[in-house]
Amino acid sequence: SQQGEEDPQALSIQEGENATMNCSYKTSINNLQWYRQNSGRGLVHLILIRSNEREKHSGRLRVTLDTSKKSSSLLITASRAADTASYFCATDSRGGSNYKLTFGKGTLLTVNP
Amino acid sequence: EAGVVQSPRYKIIEKKQPVAFWCNPISGHNTLYWYRQNLGQGPELLIRYENEEAVDDSQLPKDRFSAERLKGVDSTLKIQPAELGDSAVYLCASSLSAGLSYEQYFGPGTRLTVT
Repeated sequence: SQQGEEDPQALSIQEGENATMNCSYKTSINNLQWYRQNSGRGLVHLILIRSNEREKHSGRLRVTLDTSKKSSSLLITASRAADTASYFCATDSRGGSNYKLTFGKGTLLTVNP
Repeated sequence: EAGVVQSPRYKIIEKKQPVAFWCNPISGHNTLYWYRQNLGQGPELLIRYENEEAVDDSQLPKDRFSAERLKGVDSTLKIQPAELGDSAVYLCASSLSAGLSYEQYFGPGTRLTVT
């Protein structure tokens, strides 16, 4: 079963605009990660935010985490055509000695030139 | 530095046939993962290795799926016999360690089509 749910499922914007994607999850987490997947390729790690952090930046990426609402957002500023990809949030739930990263269904972002 | 290598990239087989996927993780990464990704979905973990030990195979359909990681480096995932519902992309990933939630590095995947 998948814990994270991204919203929207698909997003289409013009180059230069900002793109915001949201992720909601159900159970307590240790950290939350965002990954990008270009068509036909493997996933690439973008950013990790720990449960005690509220905001994190990396280049044009800004991630927020609200553990009280069990939600996270990924903001891509000044988008480029090359940002076109699927974006997944993944939550790290740990029970005992069992570590597991659970991915959502993803948001398909299309940036039009 | 070479990334995670997977082969083959594509495989088309008839149902009931066996199939095997191979993965070479990033050098020095102790933890290796196999995921299955269905169309329009996120990856789902099949099995996780710490060195040569399978520490989480709870999601692996053991009646037809098997995996091994000899010598704690390369890994092979096998399906025998394949079913139509096994059509998916099989992703291999590796990380330094699972204990501290290191980021995972993914290979390009093997796209399996079962006809």
